[in-house]
Amino acid sequence: GAGVSQSPRYKVTKRGQDVALRCDPISGHVSLYWYRQALGQGPEFLTYFNYEAQQDKSGLPNDRFSAERPEGSISTLTIQRTEQRDSAMYRCASSRDHTDTQYFGPGTRLTVL
Amino acid sequence: AQKVTQAQTEISVVEKEDVTLDCVYETRDTTYYLFWYKQPPSGELVFLIRRNSFDEQNEISGRYSWNFQKSTSSFNFTITASQVVDSAVYFCALSGSGGSNYKLTFGKGTLLTVNP
Repeated sequence: GAGVSQSPRYKVTKRGQDVALRCDPISGHVSLYWYRQALGQGPEFLTYFNYEAQQDKSGLPNDRFSAERPEGSISTLTIQRTEQRDSAMYRCASSRDHTDTQYFGPGTRLTVL
Repeated sequence: AQKVTQAQTEISVVEKEDVTLDCVYETRDTTYYLFWYKQPPSGELVFLIRRNSFDEQNEISGRYSWNFQKSTSSFNFTITASQVVDSAVYFCALSGSGGSNYKLTFGKGTLLTVNP
């Protein structure tokens, strides 16, 4: 079956612009996660959804970051007024439930100029 | 707080050599899961294995094997007869129990280069 997909794969934007990153989880997976991975580092947790409910947003760095999953499937991570320090790989993962293995998408490489 | 340490930043071997990637973890949870993921040059993050803290049996899958030792809080990964296609960054990760058991804590990764 299809894995987790993310779009766009690459995004270059100018400082101050808003960006929206999309994640399409594996069909039937109720749990969805966003992670951020800086160069040379492992992924770091941002937020977690169970169905459409955002259960944990403790990893979002500040209020410029938000995420939604309105119908319990596709999720969007939005970064407002981007800054250069937001440049990173943004990874989405999904799992059958919150206790199961997380499978990751290919990531979106965000570059803020 | 949970922590995963991968002390080896980079390893370079010649094809057909065996190589072991080290992973040491810290957690106060009595129940937890350990993982290995592979990030090839193409950039995706590929799941390799998940191990429950109650299961200390070593596991072998083809050329891959994993050694889990609770006494030393280690979950090491060995590739036997390495191949060029094994070149990648390998991440060890940990998830705990309780309310935040879904959060994966990753190490910084080990870059493995297998030369022909």
